[in-house]
Amino acid sequence: DADVTQTPRNRITKTGKRIMLECSQTKGHDRMYWYRQDPGLGLRLIYYSFDVKDINKGEISDGYSVSRQAQAKFSLSLESAIPNQTALYFCATTSGTLGGYTFGSGTRLTVV
Amino acid sequence: QQQVKQSPQSLIVQKGGISIINCAYENTAFDYFPWYQQFPGKGPALLIAIRPDVSEKKEGRFTISFNKSAKQFSLHIMDSQPGDSATYFCAATAGGTSYGKLTFGQGTILTVHP
Repeated sequence: DADVTQTPRNRITKTGKRIMLECSQTKGHDRMYWYRQDPGLGLRLIYYSFDVKDINKGEISDGYSVSRQAQAKFSLSLESAIPNQTALYFCATTSGTLGGYTFGSGTRLTVV
Repeated sequence: QQQVKQSPQSLIVQKGGISIINCAYENTAFDYFPWYQQFPGKGPALLIAIRPDVSEKKEGRFTISFNKSAKQFSLHIMDSQPGDSATYFCAATAGGTSYGKLTFGQGTILTVHP
């Protein structure tokens, strides 16, 4: 099994719909992150969590919300999806030391 | 505000050539600079990283050069191979030995022709 699992891998949804992207990790790390990838813009931080009771906004949190259900689970929600939220979404985790992030394989979201 | 600026956006190199990707940062508090490699359909993976107390770090064919005064760092891929074709991201963070969140550059799509 992958260290970081994201579901679904691909999703097409309609404008105005609520959608949840899920992430689970088996690394045993406390820190989890949601990033969005767009061509030419790189990876931009949406939300991050340093433990179950700690949730922080990133640089592009508007239109998104998160839930940290357990140390291993961190979900991202789009309450009312809009077309400019079409992107590749990545979940990541780290121990916080200089070992780097472990990323999931991503969710490709298309809002029509 | 893009705190880490990466160039070029795309790069085409012949097999055996040298690939060079550059990054510049603004935040002087940044103290850890990793590079990530991403293949299609996969998440980014840590490739190599450097701390500002050294000017160069080499791991196999991959080298990071760091210029603290200019606030710039670069990735050099020697003897580039078709298998190196991927998207590369530079990144930066602050926090000493316990870093929190990474700020990424815009990414460079590297294509190595056989």
